[in-house]
Amino acid sequence: IVLTQTPLSSPVALGQPASISCRSSQSLVHSDGNTYLSWLHQRPGQPPRLLIHKISNRFSGVPDRFSGSGAGTDFTLEISRVEAEDVGVYYCMQATQFWTFGQGTKVEIK
Amino acid sequence: EVQLVESGGALVQPGGSLRLSCTASGFTVSSNYMNWVRQAPGRGLEWVSVIFSDGIIYYADSVKGRFIISRDNSKNTVYLQMNSLRAEDTAVYYCAQTAAYWGQGTLVTVS
Repeated sequence: IVLTQTPLSSPVALGQPASISCRSSQSLVHSDGNTYLSWLHQRPGQPPRLLIHKISNRFSGVPDRFSGSGAGTDFTLEISRVEAEDVGVYYCMQATQFWTFGQGTKVEIK
Repeated sequence: EVQLVESGGALVQPGGSLRLSCTASGFTVSSNYMNWVRQAPGRGLEWVSVIFSDGIIYYADSVKGRFIISRDNSKNTVYLQMNSLRAEDTAVYYCAQTAAYWGQGTLVTVS
């Protein structure tokens, strides 16, 4: 399964929204009925951190300005109002069939 | 609290071998599936291998036949034995228990 993210770079002004798209080469619906599409955030020198799992479920401690949506092969991560701490690289990740990751989207402050 | 600590990364010559360890606390590795993921310098994330609770194992094509994943339940530790190392194996290697819990990573340099 190949995951394609767009854009690969996203300069955003503080307080403005940001949106990242992730398209899968095949449906991510598992035989158990779940769709194992997650979003991760990584800062330089740090391991990835889980933000969203199963399309739209925020992980513990993740601010509600982060939201996920989509179905089947098309998914979106939205940040309602970007804050300085949100800079870094965002990856979509599928766990329906082993694991694969998107190429990453670099979010920076404009 | 779930914690994962990797160790074993080092500088190794091409063709050499290395064994990475991932010691877990806060949960039992034998009851969960454990993954190794790597990240080459300045690059994205690449899944390497998984070991399931029932012992079933899978590898990425890029490491199949060269890397071996295993676990020691008594030590609550997962290993990645890396053989026939190549320059393109240079990366930070992370162990992860689901997408929620990641170690800090250990650097492997093949040169």
